[in-house]
Amino acid sequence: DGGITQSPKYLFRKEGQNVTLSCEQNLNHDAMYWYRQDPGQGLRLIYYSQIVNDFQKGDIAEGYSVSREKKESFPLTVTSAQKNPTAFYLCASSIDGRAAGELFFGEGSRLTVL
Amino acid sequence: SQKIEQNSEALNIQEGKTATLTCNYTNYSPAYLQWYRQDPGRGPVFLLLIRENEKEKRKERLKVTFDTTLKQSLFHITASQPADSATYLCALKNYGGSQGNLIFGKGTKLSVKP
Repeated sequence: DGGITQSPKYLFRKEGQNVTLSCEQNLNHDAMYWYRQDPGQGLRLIYYSQIVNDFQKGDIAEGYSVSREKKESFPLTVTSAQKNPTAFYLCASSIDGRAAGELFFGEGSRLTVL
Repeated sequence: SQKIEQNSEALNIQEGKTATLTCNYTNYSPAYLQWYRQDPGRGPVFLLLIRENEKEKRKERLKVTFDTTLKQSLFHITASQPADSATYLCALKNYGGSQGNLIFGKGTKLSVKP
């Protein structure tokens, strides 16, 4: 089945630790995205990538880093510089980054900082 | 300032009735609007897209309208069922740029009672 796979679903981290969230898609989509969702807030864009080896900062990129070395993979690292990392993280993809079209979301990763 | 607002955090209706959800925006010029459904702890799922030159779109029991004069989109679910209970998100895309500029509302939580 085609889709987006995020792992892990739940993750606990101690303060000061970096953690990497995995996102893999087999939809052959060019564009991939990372969003953060907090209670009572809309989805906020962290980073997006329209093509391999290229990515752009979203609205809340500080304290996060990404890579796009392969078309199907777009991992997100939450660094110790992120002051409030506890949140629900969603990865998404679309056929390309410019044309109107739906976003396909993964099932999310819930990160809790202890 | 720019805002996208879904003006009900929660909406409770009786099974069989029509649910109407509202999405208003300020200081945007949307090329299109999208609606997504999100179940608890899951990623959003795309439902409908409506472009700024379209007045109405339908898909089975779902209907979305777009009024650029009122700066508003309405999302209707007819003959609602308890299985329709979920949070519904609207998202708009301003002219220009990529899908990375998709702006999400906070969502409306719909509860359909039997």
